Amino acid sequence: EAGVVQSPRYKIIEKKQPVAFWCNPISGHNTLYWYLQNLGQGPELLIRYENEEAVDDSQLPKDRFSAERLKGVDSTLKIQPAELGDSAVYLCASSAFAWTASNTGELFFGEGSRLTVL
Amino acid sequence: SQQGEEDPQALSIQEGENATMNCSYKTSINNLQWYRQNSGRGLVHLILIRSNEREKHSGRLRVTLDTSKKSSSLLITASRAADTASYFCATVAGANSKLTFGKGITLSVRP
Repeated sequence: EAGVVQSPRYKIIEKKQPVAFWCNPISGHNTLYWYLQNLGQGPELLIRYENEEAVDDSQLPKDRFSAERLKGVDSTLKIQPAELGDSAVYLCASSAFAWTASNTGELFFGEGSRLTVL
Repeated sequence: SQQGEEDPQALSIQEGENATMNCSYKTSINNLQWYRQNSGRGLVHLILIRSNEREKHSGRLRVTLDTSKKSSSLLITASRAADTASYFCATVAGANSKLTFGKGITLSVRP
């Protein structure tokens, strides 16, 4: 079974340029997450989707970040314009269950997209 | 914000020794999970322990949970060089049951 697929693995851009990351979750996983991981830190949630609905985007900086999951399968995370502080690894994860207070479990992560903003 | 705090921040041991990593958290939880991350890779789920459980085993892994002390420990027995990685504890807590990761522990296992 294929895992969570992310692209690109590495991206180097100059500040103020736009960038987009793509994620294809495990087949059948309805819940999709985007996490941000700074160097030496743990992942921090940016947005969580249940099918095509963004159910938790409270940590997404909406002035420059946007995300979509139009058909409830793959997803795109965009930054426009990128800033120096956006340099980090962007991780996508999926889970087989709908995330509720009484139903939480393991997440399956992709390899991540490492962004360097110059 | 990160609820879980792992201890120590870094651990270096000899192959064959046991590795013990600790995680403390601040608020009541639904469950606690441990993940491993090899350098430059994504996170891999290791084990999940629910708030009403005290101990779980999976292969060479043993996890304990003490909700009265708001702490958990991950024990890796008979460590191998391949266990070299960063280990994160993550807690599920709050009304929206958000999964929150700690900063991680860097484990180095010397051959």
